[in-house]
Amino acid sequence: GAGVSQSPRYKVAKRGQDVALRCDPISGHVSLFWYQQALGQGPEFLTYFQNEAQLDKSGLPSDRFFAERPEGSVSTLKIQRTQQEDSAVYLCASSAQRSGYTFGSGTRLTVV
Amino acid sequence: GESVGLHLPTLSVQEGDNSIINCAYSNSASDYFIWYKQESGKGPQFIIDIRSNMDKRQGQRVTVLLNKTVKHLSLQIAATQPGDSAVYFCAESGANAGGTSYGKLTFGQGTILTVHP
Repeated sequence: GAGVSQSPRYKVAKRGQDVALRCDPISGHVSLFWYQQALGQGPEFLTYFQNEAQLDKSGLPSDRFFAERPEGSVSTLKIQRTQQEDSAVYLCASSAQRSGYTFGSGTRLTVV
Repeated sequence: GESVGLHLPTLSVQEGDNSIINCAYSNSASDYFIWYKQESGKGPQFIIDIRSNMDKRQGQRVTVLLNKTVKHLSLQIAATQPGDSAVYFCAESGANAGGTSYGKLTFGQGTILTVHP
C-alpha cells in the first residue's frame, strides 16, 4: 500500500490478557519504529528495527513488551498480561534510507 | 534526562493570521529537529525539518527557525487556515547509525492549534 498500515485500529483488552498489534510498513522501507502515545502526550520511543534486526529496544517499558520483525517487513508488538497503564495509542513508523519517517494511524489500546 | 518541551499548550488564531509555535529543547547533541502535525485519530504527519547546522528553513507556508544559543525551535505558519487546526509536536533526533536521516525521535508534549474561520 501507499502508507503504513496498522491493525487493529482499536483494541479493548481485559486486564491480564495478551495482545498483538500489527504493523505493515511501506514496501522496501528498511527501518521500522514503534512508539507509544499516551492521551495528551507526545509519542515515546519503544523500539527500532533495521530489516529484521532489533537494534534498539531501550524504550520498552517492561519485559511484558516484545516486538519482532522476522522477515524484515511486517512487525508485531506483543504485550503480555496487559495492565491499565498500557492503555495508549501505539504508533508504527517506517523509513527508507536517508529519508524521514512515515507514521501509521496507530492502534488505540484500552485495557479495562 | 534529555527532553523537548513546548512553551504554549494551546494557540487560537483567526483564519488568515500567521501562527508561531515554540519549542525548547535540552539535548545540544541533537542533529535534526522536526515538526509534526497530528490530527485526531491519525499518526503524526511530517511538516518540515531542520538540521542542526542551519538556523532557518522554509517550506510551503511554513518556516522553521532554530536558535542553538538558547536551544529554541519555532514553527511559523503563514496565512493559517482552518485545515491547519491540529496538535503540533516538535521532535529531535540524533543521526541514525543505520544511515537514515533520523534515529529515534524525542517528542515534546504538543501545542493545540485552533484556527477560527
